[in-house]
Amino acid sequence: GQQVMQIPQYQHVQEGEDFTTYCNSSTTLSNIQWYKQRPGGHPVFLIQLVKSGEVKKQKRLTFQFGEAKKNSSLHITATQTTDVGTYFCAGSIQGAQKLVFGQGTRLTINP
Amino acid sequence: SQTIHQWPATLVQPVGSPLSLECTVEGTSNPNLYWYRQAAGRGLQLLFYSVGIGQISSEVPQNLSASRPQDRQFILSSKKLLLSDSGFYLCAWRSAAGAAVNTIYFGEGSWLTVV
Repeated sequence: GQQVMQIPQYQHVQEGEDFTTYCNSSTTLSNIQWYKQRPGGHPVFLIQLVKSGEVKKQKRLTFQFGEAKKNSSLHITATQTTDVGTYFCAGSIQGAQKLVFGQGTRLTINP
Repeated sequence: SQTIHQWPATLVQPVGSPLSLECTVEGTSNPNLYWYRQAAGRGLQLLFYSVGIGQISSEVPQNLSASRPQDRQFILSSKKLLLSDSGFYLCAWRSAAGAAVNTIYFGEGSWLTVV
């Protein structure tokens, strides 16, 4: 079945350093989404990428969708303590009723 | 606007006791509904999803069951809880149509501890 792998599983950085998490799918995706889960909270939708090679930015966050629509990345520039949490990617294939989530990358930050 | 409500927020249940978690969505019609479980510090495991009233798809064999008695109501149940059922349970919905058709919106979750 469809699998979405996400790395790294954990990442600890100093405040101000950059952070990147990567997502790879075993199958071509129709779209990919990113979610953020703060400690003790529920996942919250961040963004959806649909087009091959698409790049979207939200302030210090940059999201990319690969040309083959099988991989994606989330890059945070100059991390802040508010960025702490677990970041999940989730992909779906055409016509599917469900999203397949990656395992998540847990980001911790040393202030 | 659409909202999702999930309850109870936390519960502690003894092994062998029944379980009922309820979820309702407001502000939308005919949503796709989902139950996920998240073990401590782990990823999201899809348990059940539903595309309509009475239509339930199970992703993982287990002692849990789901029901959708009304369009915007999704219930997760168990007749006899196991210790391994402990975790964070998340209800979620997705619009069946529209520009944001693939976006999933999560409830605030229910923390279940089986003792």
